[in-house]
Amino acid sequence: QSVLTQPPSVSGAPGQRVTISCTGSSSNIGAGYDVHWYQQLPGTAPKLLIYGNNNRPSGVPNRFSGSKSGTSASLAITGLQAEDEADYYCQSYDSSLRLFGGGTKLTVL
Amino acid sequence: QVQLQESGPGLVKPSQTLSLTCTVSGGSISSGSYYWSWIRQPAGKGLEWIGRIYTSGSTNYNPSLMSRVTILADPSKNQFSLELNSVTAADTAVYYCARDTWELLLAFDIWGQGTMVTVSS
Repeated sequence: QSVLTQPPSVSGAPGQRVTISCTGSSSNIGAGYDVHWYQQLPGTAPKLLIYGNNNRPSGVPNRFSGSKSGTSASLAITGLQAEDEADYYCQSYDSSLRLFGGGTKLTVL
Repeated sequence: QVQLQESGPGLVKPSQTLSLTCTVSGGSISSGSYYWSWIRQPAGKGLEWIGRIYTSGSTNYNPSLMSRVTILADPSKNQFSLELNSVTAADTAVYYCARDTWELLLAFDIWGQGTMVTVSS
């Protein structure tokens, strides 16, 4: 059971918008720690998608965006594409401990 | 472009020590404000942070594994390593090495491809 809670799965049709939530507590996200998001395609290593709650690394399309409020954070994907089908993980901190969410499988219908 | 590559035995017997090495290329392990971490992922499951070492040599470990883990750096070889002792089947996973940096607010920006380690007799 992960300290950061994500829905096990979400789905959407091509072109639609989906959101993935990440719920923590007052000792991690709610304490002001940043939230990062990773995309993991099947059989590959995770890739950084969003850092510092709402920043995109170079090369990540602006279809991906992040937000944070209180003890939760969200990843939004607009204009859903087939290649977005992957597992998505949030990550935050509890002091020096790095925490990951349990992951959310995105299915593009 | 910095790249990370894990290496080590793919099979470890129960109660023995799992030893992995991460080789860093395209940059020095000793320069910059970087942390070098180990992260693992059991098949079909989520990610678990194991621990990290800073360029200064200081370390932090996941409390759930702290009693069994050692992470060391070898700047002369531009490598850092993971030792996990007294392994059981529950330690079977893909093990990744990764870098995080203050430049990206301590997000893991570079990952190795991962190496599968099976604990079995």
